[in-house]
Amino acid sequence: EVQLVESGGGLVKPGGSLRLSCAASGFTFSNAWLSWVRQAPGKGLEWVGRIKSKTDGGTTDYAAPVKGRFTMSRDDSKSTLYLQMSSLKTEDTAVYYCTTGGVAAGYWGQGTLVTVSS
Amino acid sequence: NFMLTQPHSVSESPGKTVTISCTRSSGSIASNYVQWYQQRPGSAPTTMIYEDNQRPSGVPDRFSGSIDSSSNSASLTISGLKTEDEADYYCQSYESTYWVFGGGTKLTVL
Repeated sequence: EVQLVESGGGLVKPGGSLRLSCAASGFTFSNAWLSWVRQAPGKGLEWVGRIKSKTDGGTTDYAAPVKGRFTMSRDDSKSTLYLQMSSLKTEDTAVYYCTTGGVAAGYWGQGTLVTVSS
Repeated sequence: NFMLTQPHSVSESPGKTVTISCTRSSGSIASNYVQWYQQRPGSAPTTMIYEDNQRPSGVPDRFSGSIDSSSNSASLTISGLKTEDEADYYCQSYESTYWVFGGGTKLTVL
């Protein structure tokens, strides 16, 4: 059974940083492309970014609102995906979901809430 | 970047059939696959349709997806509606380096 478990969310001040983690199991993590999707309170889904498998280059792509501030990485030895968020803005407040897939979501985690507020 | 436009809300009675549309603003709807996600209140999204019309295992065959190049749109059809189908539904597609989600459609089963 595929499981994705996000952690690391919380309250952070504008301009601050936070690192989210997504622990995966139930599939061959090293072969997977992975993505982050977020959802602001009461709003729709918004793609954040994706990371390819290392065999496919391990490169990343990001949505325009987070490019230059967010960085995705992966540790295949730990089957864990990361999202390093810096220079956080109030508009980054959202539930952050990790998903399997690089062009579309397959499996979803349960999400972790990030609140950016002074 | 292109946009995907969905109706804000739809409603239908139990047992009936409902169709939710998703119109692509520019570029061909057939150029990249369309997915559909269901999100019940307070829960994470789940994938209901992938690659235009494929159902993941465990998704009932009451759910079906299609694309129509003439209207440049994709559709999610749910037949034999059940109260448990009440949820928000999102379409999604992509280009080479980014994804696009529709704004979501709230389905009410009354």
